[in-house]
Parts: sequence; C-alpha cells; structure tokens
Amino acid sequence: AQTVTQSQPEMSVQEAETVTLSCTYDTSENNYYLFWYKQPPSRQMILVIRQEAYKQQNATENRFSVNFQKAAKSFSLKISDSQLGDTAMYFCAFMKYQGAQKLVFGQGTRLTINP
Amino acid sequence: ETGVTQSPTHLIKTRGQQVTLRCSSQSGHNTVSWYQQALGQGPQFIFQYYREEENGRGNFPPRFSGLQFPNYSSELNVNALELDDSALYLCASSLTAREEQFFGPGTRLTVL
Repeated sequence: AQTVTQSQPEMSVQEAETVTLSCTYDTSENNYYLFWYKQPPSRQMILVIRQEAYKQQNATENRFSVNFQKAAKSFSLKISDSQLGDTAMYFCAFMKYQGAQKLVFGQGTRLTINP
Repeated sequence: ETGVTQSPTHLIKTRGQQVTLRCSSQSGHNTVSWYQQALGQGPQFIFQYYREEENGRGNFPPRFSGLQFPNYSSELNVNALELDDSALYLCASSLTAREEQFFGPGTRLTVL
C-alpha cells in the first residue's frame, strides 16, 4: 500500500517570501503520478502542480515548482513570491499509473501567508 | 463550462439513519471518485465509478455504496450512519480514469 507523509502540520511566512513544503511517500511502484493540491478555506480542492514519475525534469507552474527526488521518494513544493491568496491547506497526493486511479493524500500542511 | 457541483452543502443526521449525497460531474467527464475528509485530515478514497461501473474501492464498509448515472452524475449512499461518518465528502470528476481530478466543494455531514 502507498503512504504519503507531510511532516509539517503548519507553516507561516511573510508575503513575498519563498516557502517549501515537504512530502515523502512510500511505494513499490515504478510508474506513478504525484500531485500538490490546494484547499483554501472555502474548501474546494484545486490542483496546483503534477509530476509524472518517469519524467526527470521537475514540474513548474508559474510561482510553483517541485523538487522531485525519486530515489529518496521525496516531493517538495516551493512557492516563490508568496501571496496572501496562497493561504490554504496543501495536500501532497500519490496516484498509481495502473489500476484504480485513486489519489492517496497526505495529512496536509496548513500554510498561512502574513501581510 | 460548469464545474463539479455537490448537494446538499450541509447535512445533519442522527446515528442509524441513511443519507444520500449527490454530485454532478464536469461536462464530458465519465469518471467520478468519492473521498471522505475527516476534520484536520487528508481525504480518503471511498470508491470510483467509470462509465457507470465501480472501478475501485477503498477501505470502507459495504454500507457505503454508490451509483453513477448515464449522464455521469453520481450518488454516494451511506446506511446505518455512525458518529465517525461525520466528515466532508468530496466528489471529483475526470475526463478519464487517468486524467486530472476536478473536485467539488463538498458536502459537510454531521452525525449526532
């Protein structure tokens, strides 16, 4: 079974700073997807960024980038130039490449961006 | 394009009762997944439907059941409610089973 661990329950930074959220996972699969989802206080989960395990290049989406270390089973999210709207719960998630396409989520990190 | 919608927004039930939660998928999406998110936790996979057939199930008892209709809307049914069923129930739809999942706003269920 796959597990996802987020070791930082809460983080807080000042606006415009850079912040990195940590995620580790455990799997015996070789092909899989990794995701970071954002859940603002209004609850609707939004995909932030996606990484396919077979791709060596780290994914980037504007201010969001990941550091994917497959051998270490680590998948951290870096948010540059943080904005007040980045305040949310952030969930790291894993999905197998084959079989039922279920997302396995970590416990989440509550990120607060302070003005 | 309409996103994923869920109804009702909030629901209060008592132990032992039955509940039905509804989800309307994003247009064109034939796959729907349901997740349970307890307070302060990450979502946990309940089951997934693909073209009206169950396509995978998490570690939930049989009293959690579902349906997907020809228009790809979906229902989650929970029988014999227990206090621990109190949670946010999230529905997510995707174009196919392997594509990005788009989440609805959720239904907050409270069991008293």
